[in-house]
Amino acid sequence: EDQVTQSPEALRLQEGESSSLNCSYTVSGLRGLFWYRQDPGKGPEFLFTLYSAGEEKEKERLKATLTKKESFLHITAPKPEDSATYLCAAPGGGGADGLTFGKGTHLIIQP
Amino acid sequence: DARVTQTPRHKVTEMGQEVTMRCQPILGHNTVFWYRQTMMQGLELLAYFRNRAPLDDSGMPKDRFSAEMPDATLATLKIQPSEPRDSAVYFCASGSGQVTGELFFGEGSRLTVL
Repeated sequence: EDQVTQSPEALRLQEGESSSLNCSYTVSGLRGLFWYRQDPGKGPEFLFTLYSAGEEKEKERLKATLTKKESFLHITAPKPEDSATYLCAAPGGGGADGLTFGKGTHLIIQP
Repeated sequence: DARVTQTPRHKVTEMGQEVTMRCQPILGHNTVFWYRQTMMQGLELLAYFRNRAPLDDSGMPKDRFSAEMPDATLATLKIQPSEPRDSAVYFCASGSGQVTGELFFGEGSRLTVL
């Protein structure tokens, strides 16, 4: 069964304290690994797509990396506005285009 | 500013009542997805459409849930009869099909079944 597992479930950091979120996956024939951000009361918002091991994508203080078995979302010198739930997803949850999502990491950045 | 629009944003109903949630996908997007989000299960795919044709609804309880796309600008998710365990946030998302995984989500319909 295709699975996407994220850790930790929750993470509290001080402003400026860098860290990494993990996403491990067991999806046969991986056709990409995707990161989304979700703010309270909102729908998920697309961040990155990674297609092959070794690939990296960056956006502001976020950098996503991919290996053959897991992906990391590195957050460098975070600010309070980076507080959100970060979700990773992979195709495989029901058809060619359906995404299987992990349960997310709830990130809190304290001023 | 193109966005996915969902209605209603909030719905409180009693067990046994029919609930219909509506979604207007982004114009030009040919794939539409219905997801359900709960604290326990996270985001679960219920059903999805490509070019208005239903491609997969294996995540949906067939006896009470139905999803349709009567035209390119409207997708519906119906629950009849509703049960307390259906309480969740239901999200609609649409995609162009050109960049797999880049989905645009609506703000969700929060359903509470008493």
